[in-house]
This record gives sequence, C-alpha cells and structure tokens, in this order.
Amino acid sequence: DAGVIQSPRHEVTEMGQEVTLRCKPISGHDYLFWYRQTMMRGLELLIYFNNNVPIDDSGMPEDRFSAKMPNASFSTLKIQPSEPRDSAVYFCATGTSAIPQQFFGPGTRLTVL
Amino acid sequence: RKEVEQDPGPFNVPEGATVAFNCTYSNSASQSFFWYRQDCRKEPKLLMSVYSSGNEDGRFTAQLNRASQYISLLIRDSKLSDSATYLCVAWGHFGNEKLTFGTGTRLTIIP
Repeated sequence: DAGVIQSPRHEVTEMGQEVTLRCKPISGHDYLFWYRQTMMRGLELLIYFNNNVPIDDSGMPEDRFSAKMPNASFSTLKIQPSEPRDSAVYFCATGTSAIPQQFFGPGTRLTVL
Repeated sequence: RKEVEQDPGPFNVPEGATVAFNCTYSNSASQSFFWYRQDCRKEPKLLMSVYSSGNEDGRFTAQLNRASQYISLLIRDSKLSDSATYLCVAWGHFGNEKLTFGTGTRLTIIP
C-alpha cells in the first residue's frame, strides 16, 4: 500500500505568487493533518480534517492560508499571496480514529524568494 | 510555555554508549504519548508508544511518569544509524485527534 503522497516535493516561488500543495492520504484513513516545520518553531499543526470536514483550523497562521478536502483521497493547502516567511517544509499526515498514530508524507519543501 | 518541552541538544554520543532523552508535558489531560524519529530532511516516523508501565523495543526503552508529567527515552548500545532527531509527542483524547509535538532532540552518534 502506498503511503501518504505529497506533491510537489520542492517548490521555489517568488513573493506574491500563489502556491498550492497537494496531498493524497492513505486509503481508508479518515483523518488528515497539515503541518508546517521550521527550525525556529518546530512542527506546527495548521489544520486537520475528519471525514473531509475541517475540524480545527486554529493553527492556520492567517487568511493567506486555506485548505480544502473535496473528497477522501485528496487535499490541498493553498497560500495566496506567498511571503518569504512562509518558507518551510509542509507535511501532510493521515490517521484513523482507531489509533492515534499518524503517518506522514515526505513533505513539500517550500522556498519563497 | 510550550505544551511539550524537550532539550533540543545536540547530543553527541560515542557509538556503543547509552543515551537518555527527557520530555515534559503541561496538559495533564493528555492520554497517550509517543516518540517519533525524524531523519535529516525526512518525515517524522513513529518510533514507539510510551506506556505507564514502561516498555522496551530492542535497544529502546520508553518510560512515562504521569505524576511528574515526564517522559523518557533510553537508547542502549547506540549505533551510527540512531543519529536523528527524536520528537516527544502527546495525544489528547478521542474526539480531539491532535498530536502535540515537542521541538525535538537532535542526536549524533560518533564513530
């Protein structure tokens, strides 16, 4: 079974541009989490979904960030407009309601110039 | 104060030595605890769960002290391949599925 799939793996963009990060969860997992990781702040939870419904978006830094989960097999995290301080590694992770373990994707390394 | 606090290190330890990491958590309602391992430029992966009675997995031993809100990880006979960042993680309860991660402790095993 494939793990969590994220794309792109690397993204370099200029300030002000729109960035869309994509995630395909493990089949059958009903929870999906978006995290951001930086050296300064570590791993931060941005938002999570249960059965495609956003449950907690309190970690989303500001209105420039939005996330959607239109179906059980796809989610996006969008930044518009992007800023240099958004540079980080963005991880998608999924899990089930049966156990609290989360499985992480390989991450998208975002650089905003 | 962060919900999960760890010494960031780095810990530089000779191969074969025993190394211990500690972690404290502030939310007494936390139900479950884990250690995740993250290799350089990779994603975090579950290393082991932490039980109140203490648990072992090969060279790794995890311990939980609920009274002191303290979690530990012991690595015996350390290998070069143990070099990584170790993340202490707390989990709340069913219905609130968030994991709270510490910032991690960086370990380097020296040949």
